[in-house]
Amino acid sequence: EVQVVESGGDLVQPGGSLRLSCAASGFTVSSKNMGWVRQAPGKGLEWASVIYSGGSTDYADSVKGRFTISRDNSKNTVSLQMNSLRAEDTAVYYCARGGVVPGPNLAFDIWGQGTMVTVSS
Amino acid sequence: EIVLTQSPGTLSLSPGERATLSCRASQSSSYLAWYQQKPGQAPRLLIYGASSRATGIPDRFSGSGSGTDFTLTISRLEPEDFAVYYCQRYGGSPPITFGQGTRLENK
Repeated sequence: EVQVVESGGDLVQPGGSLRLSCAASGFTVSSKNMGWVRQAPGKGLEWASVIYSGGSTDYADSVKGRFTISRDNSKNTVSLQMNSLRAEDTAVYYCARGGVVPGPNLAFDIWGQGTMVTVSS
Repeated sequence: EIVLTQSPGTLSLSPGERATLSCRASQSSSYLAWYQQKPGQAPRLLIYGASSRATGIPDRFSGSGSGTDFTLTISRLEPEDFAVYYCQRYGGSPPITFGQGTRLENK
């Protein structure tokens, strides 16, 4: 079965760090564009970051310089390292696969169930 | 910054009726997707490339449009269609932008 499963969400203090992980099965993360999309409580979807199949990365302005996306091909996982966390980073974080063609392959066809990150003192 | 504006914010309809949701981009967009999200669930891809249905999506869902104006149409609403719908522009810079969502509620 093709799926992704997120983990690592937690309660963290402002200024702290957290690392989210996304484990994929049924496909190889290195062959797809993989993204992180977040959703603050009661709010809409916000794109955070993407790692392309070629290995390059992109970030939303709101997280640039604080978040780092990476992947581990041997473990078939994608990670999001989040530093200097702020209250406004509080959200459910979804890992998603860019899986449809043609085009830039950034329409997300597989989503995880999400992991909650709460930034609060 | 590219902005996607969805309208209406809330749409109140009854099962069996036709729903028309709009997404307007501040700049021309080549690639647009639509997602459905129900409470407590992850989004589900409905439409990509403005008009292609994703795998397993019923044919009562259709997408149309180009340039800056896009539409998601649900031909005959089923009870399970009441949810929040998001449009997403992808490709270009920034690579991904979401609209603010349209809530489709049962009248």
